[in-house]
Amino acid sequence: TQLLEQSPQFLSIQEGENLTVYCNSSSVFSSLQWYRQEPGEGPVLLVTVVTGGEVKKLKRLTFQFGDARKDSSLHITAAQPGDTGLYLCAGASGSARQLTFGSGTQLTVLP
Amino acid sequence: DAGVTQSPTHLIKTRGQQVTLRCSPISGHKSVSWYQQVLGQGPQFIFQYYEKEERGRGNFPDRFSARQFPNYSSELNVNALLLGDSALYLCASGVPPGAGGYTFGSGTRLTVV
Repeated sequence: TQLLEQSPQFLSIQEGENLTVYCNSSSVFSSLQWYRQEPGEGPVLLVTVVTGGEVKKLKRLTFQFGDARKDSSLHITAAQPGDTGLYLCAGASGSARQLTFGSGTQLTVLP
Repeated sequence: DAGVTQSPTHLIKTRGQQVTLRCSPISGHKSVSWYQQVLGQGPQFIFQYYEKEERGRGNFPDRFSARQFPNYSSELNVNALLLGDSALYLCASGVPPGAGGYTFGSGTRLTVV
């Protein structure tokens, strides 16, 4: 069974601070995706990383895929209250490219 | 353009009953996946269908079944409902499975009492 461990589980910070969320596994994934989920809604895709060592930037968000394609991180610079939400990492594997999700990081950015 | 649509949005069922959840993928998407998200956890993979064929099945009991129709919409059926089946059921669509990530619907909130 493939597992993705996400940390921290909860994070509460002040507006303007930086933060990093980690996603670790003992399994290799063909790709790793990061999603953000609001209450009562489905997850919304932020980014897909495919190549080991890949770094992608999306405005204030920086995503990194580990060299061995087993781990990933999400770094947010100068967090804003609008960044509040549940951040989920998900690894794709198998011929069906099914997703294995981490348990999520609930981020709260206080004004 | 319409995103992934799921119906109903909420429903309440009694233990032992059966339920059918429906999903329409984004136009042009031929892959539909179903996930179960229990409160406080990440979604868990249930099924994936591509071109009307089952391509993957997660670790769920046989009470869970699904199918995909010629128009690529899909239904998820759950028989003999248990209290533990209470969850948000999410449908995700993609062009080939997984390519470029998935688009999720808003889900169906199932409560079993």
